[in-house]
Amino acid sequence: AAGVIQSPRHLIKEKRETATLKCYPIPRHDTVYWYQQGPGQDPQFLISFYEKMQSDKGSIPDRFSAQQFSDYHSELNMSSLELGDSALYFCASSLGLNLNTQYFGPGTRLTVL
Amino acid sequence: GESVGLHLPTLSVQEGDNSIINCAYSNSASDYFIWYKQESGKGPQFIIDIRSNMDKRQGQRVTVLLNKTVKHLSLQIAATQPGDSAVYFCAENFDGGKLIFGQGTELSVKP
Repeated sequence: AAGVIQSPRHLIKEKRETATLKCYPIPRHDTVYWYQQGPGQDPQFLISFYEKMQSDKGSIPDRFSAQQFSDYHSELNMSSLELGDSALYFCASSLGLNLNTQYFGPGTRLTVL
Repeated sequence: GESVGLHLPTLSVQEGDNSIINCAYSNSASDYFIWYKQESGKGPQFIIDIRSNMDKRQGQRVTVLLNKTVKHLSLQIAATQPGDSAVYFCAENFDGGKLIFGQGTELSVKP
């Protein structure tokens, strides 16, 4: 079965650079979530979109923005990168919002030097 | 460089034994709970879920128990296998769909 696709899988950036992470949800899924996971930590919710509209916002820095496009894929844009932004970034998708299983992608490992 | 992560609780079991992983959740209003398995460098993989109107749900080799009185979840894995070695997270769902993850538990299966 098709899964969530994320690209790139690995990304290395310098401080103060920008990065764009992409997420392609499972076909027919209309909801996308972004999570950040630091080393040895649990995933932390950043932001979500339902039917191309932002549905919820978590602990996402103002330097980050995201959107969901007409084909339901989503992009997370990160500017003025800091060392502390180094983490695994996961995208998850679901069919609808509440009480629906979120399926996670393989993640993008971002390293900021 | 990378910051040092927290040390996860670890459960070590012998192959073939049953495993029980526990989790406390935070919000009494949560109405949906999920267990995920995460292998090193991979995304969380759905294992089993349970809604708040149930107290037990069984899958293939896995059982989830929900105790709303004390806000506690447990995951039971029967006949644990080396391939079960991973970090296990419980997650609660409320307030519009975002997941709040509990602290993971690292399961190590000895052959």
